[in-house]
Amino acid sequence: SAVISQKPSRDICQRGTSLTIQCQVDSQVTMMFWYRQQPGQSLTLIATANQGSEATYESGFVIDKFPISRPNLTFSTLTVSNMSPEDSSIYLCSASGTAGNTIYFGEGSWLTVV
Amino acid sequence: KQEVTQIPAALSVPEGENLVLNCSFTDSAIYNLQWFRQDPGKGLTSLLLIQSSQREQTSGRLNASLDKSSGRSTLYIAASQPGDSATYLCAVSDTNAGKSTFGDGTTLTVKP
Repeated sequence: SAVISQKPSRDICQRGTSLTIQCQVDSQVTMMFWYRQQPGQSLTLIATANQGSEATYESGFVIDKFPISRPNLTFSTLTVSNMSPEDSSIYLCSASGTAGNTIYFGEGSWLTVV
Repeated sequence: KQEVTQIPAALSVPEGENLVLNCSFTDSAIYNLQWFRQDPGKGLTSLLLIQSSQREQTSGRLNASLDKSSGRSTLYIAASQPGDSATYLCAVSDTNAGKSTFGDGTTLTVKP
């Protein structure tokens, strides 16, 4: 199994600012993903974090708004840029050892934009 | 595009009951299906993973089945306990890329 730690766990952010969320996995994993869970809704995939290259974004999400880094096999960051109240969500990091294997999730980062 | 639906959206049962949560998906060409639990204010905890070649998986009081041809999975919880109260999410992976499509979840309340 993999243990995933996210920082910060919660934050209240001012409109127009940016915040970077860190995701650390306790073992090397092949795949890392970032999801968003808006209030009362299910999870939506933002992007696949690719090691050493640009992330692969899903429809509706762009790099300028959600820049992602993945410098190695155990660490990734997601930045939420120029935040508005609509960005108030839980942002979750997930990882999988190999394709088809169990997907593990972090505890999530709860962002409130005021 | 894969769509995942979970029924019911909410369920309330007395302690000790056996119950079934349902998950359906539109594209049967899946790679695997995973059931998660989410407690309020928490992230997701993986409960069971079923590969596309498997029919069911069991862990303790939990049993998950998969019928690819009909696009359905069920999560059976035996002898429910108040500690089982949570939101249960079903996620389907279409390819070996590891990405998953999630249902909206079933919020379960088990009353003492």
